[in-house]
Parts: sequence; C-alpha cells; structure tokens
Amino acid sequence: GAGVSQSPSNKVTEKGKDVELRCDPISGHTALYWYRQRLGQGLEFLIYFQGNSAPDKSGLPSDRFSAERTGESVSTLTIQRTQQEDSAVYLCASSAQPFGYGYTFGSGTRLTVV
Amino acid sequence: GNSVTQMEGPVTLSEEAFLTINCTYTATGYPSLFWYVQYPGEGLQLLLKATKADDKGSNKGFEATYRKETTSFHLEKGSVQVSDSAVYFCALSAASGSRLTFGEGTQLTVNP
Repeated sequence: GAGVSQSPSNKVTEKGKDVELRCDPISGHTALYWYRQRLGQGLEFLIYFQGNSAPDKSGLPSDRFSAERTGESVSTLTIQRTQQEDSAVYLCASSAQPFGYGYTFGSGTRLTVV
Repeated sequence: GNSVTQMEGPVTLSEEAFLTINCTYTATGYPSLFWYVQYPGEGLQLLLKATKADDKGSNKGFEATYRKETTSFHLEKGSVQVSDSAVYFCALSAASGSRLTFGEGTQLTVNP
C-alpha cells in the first residue's frame, strides 16, 4: 500500500484480556519495527524484523508480549493478560533499508486497558 | 548504550519567533541523526536527517547540523508558524545497528 497501515486505530480492553495489534507495512519494505509510546514520553523500541532473519526481541518488556511476521508481510503484536501499564500508543514502522534510513510510521494503535 | 536527550518541553512561541530545540546524544561510532515530527492525530514523519559530522539537514525551513565535537543535533527554525505546532523527536541510528533510538520528544505550540 501507499503507507503503513495499523489496525485497530483504537482498542479498549479489560485488564487480563489478550489483544492483537496488526501492522501492514509498505510493500517491498524488508524491515519492520514496533515501538511503544506512553503518554507524554518518547518512543520505546519493542521488536525489529528484517526479512527472514531472527527478530531482535530485545525491547519486549515481558513475556506477555510477542510478535510475529511471515516473510515481508503483515506483522501482529500480541499482548497477553493485559495490564493497565500496557496502555499506550503502539507504533509500527517499515523501512526499505535496515539501518534507520527512510522509516515510515503508521498512525498507531491507541490501547487503553481498563 | 545509545541515548538521546532533548530539551524539556513544552515550548510555547509566538508566530514568527525563532525556534531552537536542543538535542544531544551518546553513541559509539558514527551514528546517523534524525528529527521526526508528529502532528496532532498523525503518525511520525521524518523531518530531516544528517549522516555524518558537519552535515546539515534541512526541510520546511527547519535545519539541524551534526556536531560531533559537542555530540549535538539542535533543531532550528528562523520564523515559526502556527502550523509547526507538533511534537518533535530527535533520534539516532548507530552505524552498526538497525533501530532508531528516540529522545523523549518536545511539544511545540505556536500561537498566532
């Protein structure tokens, strides 16, 4: 597509429920990143996919967080047993190069855990 | 590890005022430096970048110069407009790495 598409744009969930966030990158972009943006704070790196290589999961905050991507297509970020501190905007970005050039961000999914 | 420190916000200016948003970084090697902008209700957009020391990135009247001696990449604009109201993020990408490390962001409000 023309840009990075994320869905849903907003999600309200009850504490303890699982949620799944989706990112559809720009066609042909081999690199895909997930970031978290808490209210009034900067962007926190979560996970990075590059082609068929093993993902860099070093930013995932706990084992409740996981992400998948098949090849160079859609990625899903799953949060199990959500907690109130998981409330944030989850941003996805894709890039044609793996070294931070030309990132294109989606508009994000605003997750609220009540 | 790599880190980016931005001046604390929020910053409020009148239209046509001069803008400086300070950014300093810590990184090994020779990182690339970026400024991203997030307009209300929108995703982050790349504003400008510089990939080596003394490079100047510029876009939409904004400029930033990569200063290795002071490890800085301050954002400047000579005359801000109401439409520049947004959150500005400084970021770096280490030469050997693949992810962006962001600063905390600076909220800019420009009043008419």
